[in-house]
Amino acid sequence: DTAVSQTPKYLVTQMGNDKSIKCEQNLGHDTMYWYKQDSKKFLKIMFSYNNKELIINETVPNRFSPKSPDKAHLNLHINSLELGDSAVYFCASSHSGGRGYEQYFGPGTRLTVT
Amino acid sequence: GDSVTQMEGPVTLSEEAFLTINCTYTATGYPSLFWYVQYPGEGLQLLLKATKADDKGSNKGFEATYRKETTSFHLEKGSVQVSDSAVYFCALSDRSNDYKLSFGAGTTVTVRA
Repeated sequence: DTAVSQTPKYLVTQMGNDKSIKCEQNLGHDTMYWYKQDSKKFLKIMFSYNNKELIINETVPNRFSPKSPDKAHLNLHINSLELGDSAVYFCASSHSGGRGYEQYFGPGTRLTVT
Repeated sequence: GDSVTQMEGPVTLSEEAFLTINCTYTATGYPSLFWYVQYPGEGLQLLLKATKADDKGSNKGFEATYRKETTSFHLEKGSVQVSDSAVYFCALSDRSNDYKLSFGAGTTVTVRA
């Protein structure tokens, strides 16, 4: 009964390829997020969806496109992968609109672009 | 905009030593404050949180107090164990930023037996 799951856990691919990462949560949350963690462990939000609607879209190249088919799923598609996209990508979810609501994180997807 | 500044690591301690990780923040509104922990090879887990001034969050022997006057949320543990070796992140969320989490840079803590 994993709360937030991501697939795949590891993804190794070549420059120029297109890849997707999937995320699912079974916590009944209505908000989901994508974060990128670089090699120095720095975490930065990329996107946030609330009830399938995009509410946060940080300065991310438009090669990255999130898709939320329903409240429990948020996928990340990346076109034309570049070396600099190598990182760990974390999905998270939470309830919306309140102070102090914590975010629950998935185990991460380590993307390596060669 | 909102930002979080954490003391830089890495921090190396012996078992049973006292741990403090400093965290200060700037925010346009009245944020909630969090400490998250990332064990090797895992995702982030909430360690503790505080939502208003003078609140103390605590969990697993860790404590942090929300100090509005000094805009700080320092993490402390009186006696660390090897199993506390991890990366610790201070974070805030604020209504003015759609409650997205803004993280500090993370502090790597290694506890030696």
